[in-house]
Amino acid sequence: EVQLVESGGGLVQPGGSLKLVCAASGFNFSYYWMSWVRQAPGKGPEWVASINQDETVRYFVDSVKGRFTTSRDNAKDSLFLQMSSLRVDDTAIYYCFCPRVGWGQGTPVIVSS
Amino acid sequence: QSVLTQPPSVSAAPGQKVTISCSGSSSNIGNNVVSWYQQLPGRAPKLLIYDSDKRLSGIPDRFSGSRSGTSATLGITGLQTGDEADYYCGTWDNSLTTYVFGTGTEVAVL
Repeated sequence: EVQLVESGGGLVQPGGSLKLVCAASGFNFSYYWMSWVRQAPGKGPEWVASINQDETVRYFVDSVKGRFTTSRDNAKDSLFLQMSSLRVDDTAIYYCFCPRVGWGQGTPVIVSS
Repeated sequence: QSVLTQPPSVSAAPGQKVTISCSGSSSNIGNNVVSWYQQLPGRAPKLLIYDSDKRLSGIPDRFSGSRSGTSATLGITGLQTGDEADYYCGTWDNSLTTYVFGTGTEVAVL
């Protein structure tokens, strides 16, 4: 069974940092591009970042460029999202995502003072 | 504002069929495969269709996907109350170098 399990979300003050982790299982993780998507309350999903199989290519939505980075550990079937200089409008549920495999259950990130 | 356009809502009686369109351009749907996602109220999105027309394992064959030109379509037959949800299309956009989601369609079972 395919599973994507996110962790690391929480409440953080503006300007703070968080690192999200996605643990993958049930599929050949190293074979796929992996992505992060977020969804603010009452809004549709918004793509955040994607990383290719060997970490040589990364893409980010303009609003997070220079603040977020993504990485992966294929030996541990894990995906990471390092978020810094967080802003109130980064508040959302963050999902680990692969368009050909599925979604995780999400982890909430709340940026508030 | 999304580059993939979907109707805001569709509805039909139980047992009937609905189709949801997803209109894009040559930089996205015209040259890339499409996925479809279902989001039940208060739940995480769920992958239904990938590579434009392939059902994920475990998804009933009441759900089907197709792509033609710069548009894609999700069909749901034998509509059930449990199908009431928001549905999104998604694909890569070569010009924007971003993954893009559709505007979303709310399915209501009358």
